Amino acid sequence: SQQGEEDPQALSIQEGENATMNCSYKTSINNLQWYRQNSGRGLVHLILIRSNEREKHSGRLRVTLDTSKKSSSLLITASRAADTASYFCAPVRWSGNTPLVFGKGTRLSVIA
Amino acid sequence: ETGVTQTPRHLVMGMTNKKSLKCEQHLGHNAMYWYKQSAKKPLELMFVYSLEERVENNSVPSRFSPECPNSSHLFLHLHTLQPEDSALYLCASSPLAGVGTGELFFGEGSRLTVL
Repeated sequence: SQQGEEDPQALSIQEGENATMNCSYKTSINNLQWYRQNSGRGLVHLILIRSNEREKHSGRLRVTLDTSKKSSSLLITASRAADTASYFCAPVRWSGNTPLVFGKGTRLSVIA
Repeated sequence: ETGVTQTPRHLVMGMTNKKSLKCEQHLGHNAMYWYKQSAKKPLELMFVYSLEERVENNSVPSRFSPECPNSSHLFLHLHTLQPEDSALYLCASSPLAGVGTGELFFGEGSRLTVL
């Protein structure tokens, strides 16, 4: 699999505001996944969007995918202090044994 | 609780010590992974095991030695490490490498400090 690039590298918002993070990748994909990592902990899978989907929702999360632009965005609505974490995207394209590769992520700080 | 357990959570060792990190998954998965996360660097994939066979080794120094005795257990044996090896070591599992959605299930990590 290929590495996604998250943007911005850091984002600071007030509690209750929406947070938007973007991901760009280089080649065609089968799906794209978003993960969250609290400081010093393991990554947790948030949501997966398949290449034939354009938008997907899960609770306060909304993910969009634009395969023509090779980009995805993750929107967290009505953010909470507990959303403070790093967020990673992982584009997946199957080619034999191809484990996920991660970029530097977006570090989100939600200020109460 | 992700179904992937890593021990110890914290480890401090000298450069001449030998220690091991352990990972156990209770998800019935057949692929397991070691990732390294250093400060201000992306996660680095170190090793991949699929059906207990090593299928990827990303040019990792020989002072890191993985072992996968069965599909539920993965070890990382550490020997003669350097201070720059201090990092968070993350274990992950998936149903099978290269099959399905590719979703990974991570443990909580082992924070290693080399003095």
